[in-house]
Parts: sequence; structure tokens; C-alpha cells
Amino acid sequence: EVQLVEAGGDLVQPGGSLRLSCAASGFTFSSEAMTWVRQAPGKGLEWVSDISGSGAGTYYADSVRGRFTISRDISKNTLFLQMNSLRAEDTAIYYCAKLREQGLALLDYWGRGTLVTVSS
Amino acid sequence: DIVMTQSPDSLAVSLGERATINCKSSQSVLYSSNNKNYLAWYQQKRGQPPKLIISWASTRESGVPDRFSGSGSGTDFTLIISSLQAEDVAVYYCQQYYTTPYTFGQGTKLEIK
Repeated sequence: EVQLVEAGGDLVQPGGSLRLSCAASGFTFSSEAMTWVRQAPGKGLEWVSDISGSGAGTYYADSVRGRFTISRDISKNTLFLQMNSLRAEDTAIYYCAKLREQGLALLDYWGRGTLVTVSS
Repeated sequence: DIVMTQSPDSLAVSLGERATINCKSSQSVLYSSNNKNYLAWYQQKRGQPPKLIISWASTRESGVPDRFSGSGSGTDFTLIISSLQAEDVAVYYCQQYYTTPYTFGQGTKLEIK
């Protein structure tokens, strides 16, 4: 059974940093592209970043490029999102999700999310 | 960026009745080389992550009841729930996976009348 479990969400001040993690199990982690999607409170879904199975290819939304870094540790079956220079508008639930296949942005499994709140 | 616009924003339907949700993309998501529409529908129940229910505009995911159907091509798409059940109360999102940035509609909240 595929499982994705996010952690690391917290209350952080504007300008601060946070590192999210997503522990994956039930599939061959090194073979699958992964993504972070966020949802501001009461709002819709926003694709934040994704990474290829090997980790060599990454993509960032304009809203986070230069501030967020996605990475993965294949030995630990874990996906990460390093978030720097956080802003109030980054406040959201952050979901990690698995792409159905490389290059096909269909999200067939999702974690339950972790809440990031940016506020002073 | 491809903008996805759903209508209506909210919808109340009686149990057993038909629910129709529309999704319009600002440019075509039909890939001519394979004649496939890169359009998905997700269902998000309260307090849960989204769940993929339809891909390629009309292909139901495994385990999704056949009362859910998707249709459309190019820029105009529809999700229909033929006979609404209580467990279908949710917010529904369309998503284009044709090109980056991959974008979602704003969501349609479906409730029981």
C-alpha cells in the first residue's frame, strides 16, 4: 500500500525558514517523480514544485522559485522541501504527492498534508 | 499560464439527482500527436487530501463509482455525477497536466439540497 506522510509544518515568522519532509513507502521511491502541492486555508490547489525520480530534474512555480528547494533522499525514501524567506502568502497545507509516471503530472497518491503558518 | 475556470463555484443537488460541474481552460489541453486531453478531476472531501477520480478527461480511476463520468475536449470539460449520493459531498477540482505550470481550477463545492 502506498503511503506518504508529511512532517515539519510549523508556525514561523516572515523571513524564516522551514524544512518539510515526506516519508514514502509502498512503491519504488527512486523510480517515481514527486511533487509538493499547497492549499492556502479555504482556498484552491497550487502546484509548488516537482522532482524527477533520479532527482536530476526539478521544477518550481514562479511564486517560490529562488526561495524553495526540492530534494529527495533515495536511501531514506524521503522527499524534502526547504523553504526559505517565507512570506505570509506561503501559509498553507503542503501536500506531497506521487506522479503517475515521469513527465505525466497526474497525482495518483497524496499524503494528508502538513500545515505551514507564516505569521509574526 | 493556462487558466482553469470552473462553474459554478458551488452547487446544491438533491440526493439521487444529477450534478454537473464545468471546467474551461484558457487554451486547448488536447495534445494533437496522441489525441488525448490532458485534463483530470479530483475530489476533496472535508479534512482530506484530494483524490484523483478522472484522468484523460473521461477515464475513471479504479474503484471510482460509475455514476461519475467526465467528458469534453479541447477547452471545455464536464464532470457529471449521475445520481448524487451523500458521500459525494466534496469540493471538485479540474487540473490540466498539458504543460507547466500545471494548474487547477478554483474548485466547485458540491452539497446536498
